[in-house]
Amino acid sequence: DAGVTQSPTHLIKTRGQQVTLRCSPISGHKSVSWYQQVLGQGPQFIFQYYEKEERGRGNFPDRFSARQFPNYSSELNVNALLLGDSALYLCASSLELWEETQYFGPGTRLLVL
Amino acid sequence: AQSVTQLDSQVPVFEEAPVELRCNYSSSVSVYLFWYVQYPNQGLQLLLKYLSGSTLVKGINGFEAEFNKSQTSFHLRKPSVHISDTAEYFCAVSDPPEYGNKLVFGAGTILRVKS
Repeated sequence: DAGVTQSPTHLIKTRGQQVTLRCSPISGHKSVSWYQQVLGQGPQFIFQYYEKEERGRGNFPDRFSARQFPNYSSELNVNALLLGDSALYLCASSLELWEETQYFGPGTRLLVL
Repeated sequence: AQSVTQLDSQVPVFEEAPVELRCNYSSSVSVYLFWYVQYPNQGLQLLLKYLSGSTLVKGINGFEAEFNKSQTSFHLRKPSVHISDTAEYFCAVSDPPEYGNKLVFGAGTILRVKS
């Protein structure tokens, strides 16, 4: 079975632009979470979606938004990009909301110039 | 609020030597504990997890970790490391399942295995 997939793998944007990152969970997994990993730091939780509903949100500004589709795939949107948004964005999926193990994708590396 | 402290930012070690990567956590409720590994330019791979039961947990690639509730620690160990173990290791904690499975990560420890 395919693992968690993310697209694109790399992205370069300029300040003020908007970006959309995509994630496909492992087949059958209903919960998707997004994390931001700034260089030299551990991943930080941004959002969790389960059955198309937001079930958790980290300490990120409203410029960050996400959604989950009926096939359980997910998009993360970031508006008005800042230099500090440069990071590796990781998507993780789990079978259910309460499933203790999350499986991570390879990430999308975003560089904001 | 939960937090995780990884006490060493980098750990250099020679090949075939033992290694311990330290992790301390704080939480007001019972927790689940995890170790993930990240190889260069890749995502996170689960090494092992502690949910309940035996405090000694064995994972993949010969790694093991011991949960110590009184010291709020979850240190990762391997008796003999290989060059291929060079990577960044993250300790993480999550809430009990009824609160969702959001992970809180430490800052990471870079393990450098030298020949």
